[in-house]
Amino acid sequence: KAGVTQTPRYLIKTRGQQVTLSCSPISGHRSVSWYQQTPGQGLQFLFEYFSETQRNKGNFPGRFSGRQFSNSRSEMNVSTLELGDSALYLCASSQEGVLVEQYFGPGTRLTVT
Amino acid sequence: AQSVAQPEDQVNVAEGNPLTVKCTYSVSGNPYLFWYVQYPNRGLQFLLKYITGDNLVKGSYGFEAEFNKSQTSFHLKKPSALVSDSALYFCAVRVPNTNAGKSTFGDGTTLTVKP
Repeated sequence: KAGVTQTPRYLIKTRGQQVTLSCSPISGHRSVSWYQQTPGQGLQFLFEYFSETQRNKGNFPGRFSGRQFSNSRSEMNVSTLELGDSALYLCASSQEGVLVEQYFGPGTRLTVT
Repeated sequence: AQSVAQPEDQVNVAEGNPLTVKCTYSVSGNPYLFWYVQYPNRGLQFLLKYITGDNLVKGSYGFEAEFNKSQTSFHLKKPSALVSDSALYFCAVRVPNTNAGKSTFGDGTTLTVKP
């Protein structure tokens, strides 16, 4: 079974631009979560989607948004990029339920200059 | 709100020696606890989890973890470390009756195993 895939793997953007990151979950997984990983803040939860609905949201500004499609693929968008948005963005998919582990993609490394 | 603490930023052990990576948690109610490992330029990989039952949980690559409710700890252990175990380790918690997709992670512990 194919793992979680994220595209692109690396991205360089300029302040003020916007960016869209994509995540394809493991087949059959309907829950997709996004995390931001930085050296200073660790892993911070962004949001979770399940069956095309946002079920949970972390403490990030409204510039961060996401969506999920009917095939469970998910995208996250960051508008008006700031230098502090430079990070590794990780997508994780799982089956439904709080007892199950998450499966992570390799991440998208975003650099904002 | 739940939280996870990994008190050591770095753990250094010699190959062949036992290793322990510490994790403590704070939640309301019974926790579901997880360990993940991250290798350079990779996403996190699931190692093991504690849901209920036996306090000693066995996972991938010879790792195990011991759940201690009175000390609110879930330390990761391995009897004999390998150089290839060198990586960044994360402890995570989920809480019942909350939305399933949110895990709260510790800040991570870098494990270095020296030959």
